[in-house]
Amino acid sequence: GAGVSQSPRYKVAKRGQDVALRCDPISGHVSLFWYQQALGQGPEFLTYFQNEAQLDKSGLPSDRFFAERPEGSVSTLKIQRTQQEDSAVYLCASSFQGFLTDTQYFGPGTRLTVL
Amino acid sequence: ELKVEQNPLFLSMQEGKNYTIYCNYSTTSDRLYWYRQDPGKSLESLFVLLSNGAVKQEGRLMASLDTKARLSTLHITAAVHDLSATYFCAVESFYFGTGTSLTVIP
Repeated sequence: GAGVSQSPRYKVAKRGQDVALRCDPISGHVSLFWYQQALGQGPEFLTYFQNEAQLDKSGLPSDRFFAERPEGSVSTLKIQRTQQEDSAVYLCASSFQGFLTDTQYFGPGTRLTVL
Repeated sequence: ELKVEQNPLFLSMQEGKNYTIYCNYSTTSDRLYWYRQDPGKSLESLFVLLSNGAVKQEGRLMASLDTKARLSTLHITAAVHDLSATYFCAVESFYFGTGTSLTVIP
């Protein structure tokens, strides 16, 4: 595709609901990253995939957060039992190779609001 | 935990002026990134700096890295309104600074 796409762009959830956020990276990109960006803050790293392997999940804030990339392309970030503090923009980025020095291309983000 | 600090947090400057944004980080690293974010938009990669003394330039922006001082700078030359945005530095792909909100005034 032309760029990284994310869906939905906006999501409103009631506290306690489960949500699933999708990321379609640029075709052929090996690496995929998820970040959480609270209003007025810098992005915070959540997790990183190289192909289908989740190489780093140290940034996931709790066991309610789960990410997968089963076929090495599309990725889903799932948040169970959402809390108000989960409200943020969730950004996905991909890069061509499996090196952390590659240029990252970011998607437009999914804005999650938990009521 | 690696900490990344940027200053200033807010910068208002006139068109045509020069200024520098600073990015300090707390532990040894040789990978430093700069990004731009327009209001309500996602991030755009500007520079990747991979070694001590690295310098990269694109248009009116120039970035440098001093790994010994754990410092990167983003220098703006002869600012124009189109440069108004928030600029983030990030270390190791994972640790972002707080951002510098730049407004260029005509």
